[in-house]
Amino acid sequence: QSALTQPRSVSGSPGQSVTISCAGTSSDVGGYNFVSWYQQHPGKVPKLMIYDVTKRPSGVPDRFSGSKSGNTASLTISGLQAEDEADYYCCSYAGSNTNWVFGGGTKLTVL
Amino acid sequence: QVQLQESGPGLVKPSQTLSLTCTVSGVSISSDSYYWSWIRQPAGKGLEWIGRIYNSGSTNYIPSLKSRVTISVDTSKNQFSLKLSSVTAADTAVYYCATLYCTRTSCYIRSWGQGTLVTVSS
Repeated sequence: QSALTQPRSVSGSPGQSVTISCAGTSSDVGGYNFVSWYQQHPGKVPKLMIYDVTKRPSGVPDRFSGSKSGNTASLTISGLQAEDEADYYCCSYAGSNTNWVFGGGTKLTVL
Repeated sequence: QVQLQESGPGLVKPSQTLSLTCTVSGVSISSDSYYWSWIRQPAGKGLEWIGRIYNSGSTNYIPSLKSRVTISVDTSKNQFSLKLSSVTAADTAVYYCATLYCTRTSCYIRSWGQGTLVTVSS
């Protein structure tokens, strides 16, 4: 069982928007603004999409955005494209003992 | 640009020690703000944080693996290593080395290695 809870799957049609949630606790997501999101295509290395809750690395389309409310972080993908179909993982700092925790991953299907 | 490359045996026998090395290029492993980390992913499953080391030698490990894990740094070779003892089939996974980049106001996994599959089997 992962430390952070994500839906196992979400889906949307091209052009639509989807939101993936990442539920944690006050000891991780709610306690720090160090939440990041990674996209992973099958057999590939995870790719950073969002960091520090809302920041987007250079080269990541502005269709990807992040937010946080309380102990839950969210990744929103607008204007869905076929290439967005992948697994998405959230990750949060969880203090000096546990350090970092991942969500279980969400499979995004573009219909 | 930081680049990471894992190396080590792809097959380890049960009860033995898994040993992997990550060679870092593009930045000195002694650089401030960089934390050198190991992450694993069993086939078809999610990512699991294993632990990390700073250039001072300070380490943090996930509690569930703490008794079996050692991460160390070799600054002369710009490498860091993972040792996981008493392995079982449950330790079979793709192992990634990665670097956290952390400042007072920002912290995230900046770079990943390509990953290496380690299978635990007799």
